[in-house]
Amino acid sequence: EVQLVDSGGGLVQPGGSLTVSCVASGFPFRSHAMGWVRQAPGKGLEWVSGVSSGDVKDYAESVKGRFAISRDNSANTLSLEMNNLRPEDSAIYYCARKKGSLIGAFDLWGQGALVTVSS
Amino acid sequence: DIQMTQSPSALSASVGDSITITCRASQRINTWLAWYRQSAGKAPKLLISKASDLESGIPSRFSGSASGNDFTLTINNLQPDDFATYYCQQYENYPHTFGQGTKLEIK
Repeated sequence: EVQLVDSGGGLVQPGGSLTVSCVASGFPFRSHAMGWVRQAPGKGLEWVSGVSSGDVKDYAESVKGRFAISRDNSANTLSLEMNNLRPEDSAIYYCARKKGSLIGAFDLWGQGALVTVSS
Repeated sequence: DIQMTQSPSALSASVGDSITITCRASQRINTWLAWYRQSAGKAPKLLISKASDLESGIPSRFSGSASGNDFTLTINNLQPDDFATYYCQQYENYPHTFGQGTKLEIK
């Protein structure tokens, strides 16, 4: 089955760290660009970070220097390491696949991982 | 950053109606625009890419068009599953900004 399965969410204190991951199956993971999109409770969608099939990475200004995206093509896994977390980072984090290797819309989404930053 | 201005923010309609949602990009994005539908508690689902290319399995009741920096999503013959929130997204440049969303409710 073609799918993305997100994991790793949880409760973390402000200033803490957490890593969310997604495991891909059913398609050639290494051939697709990937990304992370988040959604704060009751709010809209916000693009967070992306990585091309060639491992070129980009970040939203709001997370630059705190978050790091990585991909492991041998394990079909995409990860987002989040450091120095703030309450405003609380959201559902969705892993998503791009239609192409570099440019494209997100045509496949994980179910989301809930991250709550609170003391 | 490219700003995506989506309107309206909310819309009421009945089953069988037709509706249009618009998105305006703050700068040229060619046709690198996608439309997504998000039902309550679910992940978004891609409906249209490249402004007007319908995704496989999406009914032809959905259509997208572009005119300069203005983009529209039209849904004809609304069905119960269509009552959800819709987002546009540009993927011309990073960050790949989304519109604010349009919540489509049953009248």
